[in-house]
Amino acid sequence: GDSVTQTEGLVTLTEGLPVMLNCTYQTIYSNPFLFWYVQHLNESPRLLLKSFTDNKRTEHQGFHATLHKSSSSFHLQKSSAQLSDSALYYCALMNNNAGAKLTFGGGTRLTVRP
Amino acid sequence: EAAVTQSPRNKVTVTGGNVTLSCRQTNSHNYMYWYRQDTGHGLRLIHYSYGAGNLQIGDVPDGYKATRTTQEDFFLLLELASPSQTSLYFCASSDAGTENTEVFFGKGTRLTVV
Repeated sequence: GDSVTQTEGLVTLTEGLPVMLNCTYQTIYSNPFLFWYVQHLNESPRLLLKSFTDNKRTEHQGFHATLHKSSSSFHLQKSSAQLSDSALYYCALMNNNAGAKLTFGGGTRLTVRP
Repeated sequence: EAAVTQSPRNKVTVTGGNVTLSCRQTNSHNYMYWYRQDTGHGLRLIHYSYGAGNLQIGDVPDGYKATRTTQEDFFLLLELASPSQTSLYFCASSDAGTENTEVFFGKGTRLTVV
């Protein structure tokens, strides 16, 4: 079945340093949708980025990611971390060949310190 | 504005008890999902559906039933609740299958089984 693997557990950064959260996936479906969701404390997950197109950079709120089907990756990046970026980040894959099954990775908690 | 409403927001039940979690979406979306969120496991898919009367098995279905009565309403049933089902449950809806696919989450239901 489908699976999504993210940077393990907890990432701690100093404000102003670059952010890179890794996401790789496995699916036999050739046209997956990939998403990044962000979840702040006591809130529900909210869409950050999405992509369907191979090798096309997508950007939102200072974050960017590029879907690379050749390496099955969709890494999340930001040039300069802010304190407000502290949150739980999820990478997810949608498989439209399986009734739009939406599979999430295990999540990465990003903590940005001053 | 897109809306997914879950009820109740909090629920405490006893081991062996019967619980129904409700989800209603007003997004005119075809797809709906039930997830549980646990520290260390991320968001895990329990059941999902692509229309009234349809049910698809997710990745952690044991101990859960679900029913999609209308396009708007998706219910999660725990007929013999166990402490291992203590969790935060999220419902989501999606218009999967288009390039502008969106997935919206409800605010969650916190279930405690004592």
